[in-house]
Amino acid sequence: AQSVTQLDSQVPVFEEAPVELRCNYSSSVSVYLFWYVQYPNQGLQLLLKYLSGSTLVKSINGFEAEFNKSQTSFHLRKPSVHISDTAEYFCAVSVGAGKSTFGDGTTLTVKP
Amino acid sequence: EAQVTQNPRYLITVTGKKLTVTCSQNMNHEYMSWYRQDPGLGLRQIYYSMNVEVTDKGDVPEGYKVSRKEKRNFPLILESPSPNQTSLYFCASTPLGDSNYGYTFGSGTRLTVV
Repeated sequence: AQSVTQLDSQVPVFEEAPVELRCNYSSSVSVYLFWYVQYPNQGLQLLLKYLSGSTLVKSINGFEAEFNKSQTSFHLRKPSVHISDTAEYFCAVSVGAGKSTFGDGTTLTVKP
Repeated sequence: EAQVTQNPRYLITVTGKKLTVTCSQNMNHEYMSWYRQDPGLGLRQIYYSMNVEVTDKGDVPEGYKVSRKEKRNFPLILESPSPNQTSLYFCASTPLGDSNYGYTFGSGTRLTVV
């Protein structure tokens, strides 16, 4: 079975500062990896995903994540955050089509 | 617009009164799933369905039922709700195929059982 650990439950940062949200996973087979974002009072939205190929994947709003197989990590980064990035972020892992296993979430709070 | 629609968004009910939360998707996805979200516990899978008439238990199925009579609909049934089922519920769907495209989620149903 696979599992996901998000290493920080809360990450407070100031606006325009860089941020990294950490995600480690455990699996005995190859995985697909995802980051989802949940804005207040909304459902989760897919932010980016790693399926295969280039280990660095990017979203349209400036986030990026790098798949590191040796360290079994998929950390999410953004070089300069905005107030509007305040949300909860979930890392998820899947070993095939269908079920994903989610981490407990990281609350990112961007302060002015 | 491609979407997953859940209803209702908010529901307050009393212990033991049967309720159904509906979920419908318009993307012809084979896979549908119900999750509950609780503070500090992330998302836990309740039930999932690989296709019509094919359902299976997730990690926390106790106290819940589901059905998949049509591809687009996947209702969640609580036959005798209890206060420990107070939670935020999400329905999600994804296509099945050679790869995994990630989930499309509904907007959530906040259930309070008193």
